Amino acid sequence: QKEVEQDPGPLSVPEGAIVSLNCTYSNSAFQYFMWYRQYSRKGPELLMYTYSSGNKEDGRFTAQVDKSSKYISLFIRDSQPSDSATYLCAMIGDSWGKLQFGAGTQVVVTP
Amino acid sequence: KAGVTQTPRYLIKTRGQQVTLSCSPISGHRSVSWYQQTPGQGLQFLFEYFSETQRNKGNFPGRFSGRQFSNSRSEMNVSTLELGDSALYLCASSTQGEGEAFFGQGTRLTVV
Repeated sequence: QKEVEQDPGPLSVPEGAIVSLNCTYSNSAFQYFMWYRQYSRKGPELLMYTYSSGNKEDGRFTAQVDKSSKYISLFIRDSQPSDSATYLCAMIGDSWGKLQFGAGTQVVVTP
Repeated sequence: KAGVTQTPRYLIKTRGQQVTLSCSPISGHRSVSWYQQTPGQGLQFLFEYFSETQRNKGNFPGRFSGRQFSNSRSEMNVSTLELGDSALYLCASSTQGEGEAFFGQGTRLTVV
């Protein structure tokens, strides 16, 4: 079983809809959580970084962390075709510098 | 503020050769991590350097090695290249390894 589980999709939504992404994890040592967006043949771009359980909002993006359930989510409001990309969750535990990634979810926003 | 810079962006090498990839982190960042990304395996951790010391290592053979210099720039070396080493190699930098990690654009290595 992988330490971080993420549905690879693809997830197809119409423009303007809310995109909902999530990851589950098994290692209770994970304490730092990140979401990245990756366009084809590019490096991952950091979208959100959270440390504690709860919600964090930045523009159209909201990240949620529930450490008791070992579950994190990313919501994208008012989705645009330019949001079409692969979204990766990542986490760090007690091995600093070592990010553990989910498989990535491919998102397609159709006009 | 300049981002993470990786050079070269593209490389084509022949089986059996060796290759060196370079990563310049964001100014002030002392932790540099390396990852291999392939369609089948996703992003896999290679190793991490902090203040010129390898602090963590992933499950890759000894053909994969790295180092970090006093200015935090890092290099990764792969010896005796195999076809399966074809991948996008990414480096990420962060202040100390526990916080926000920023990635470069990667080096796409093709082994023929």
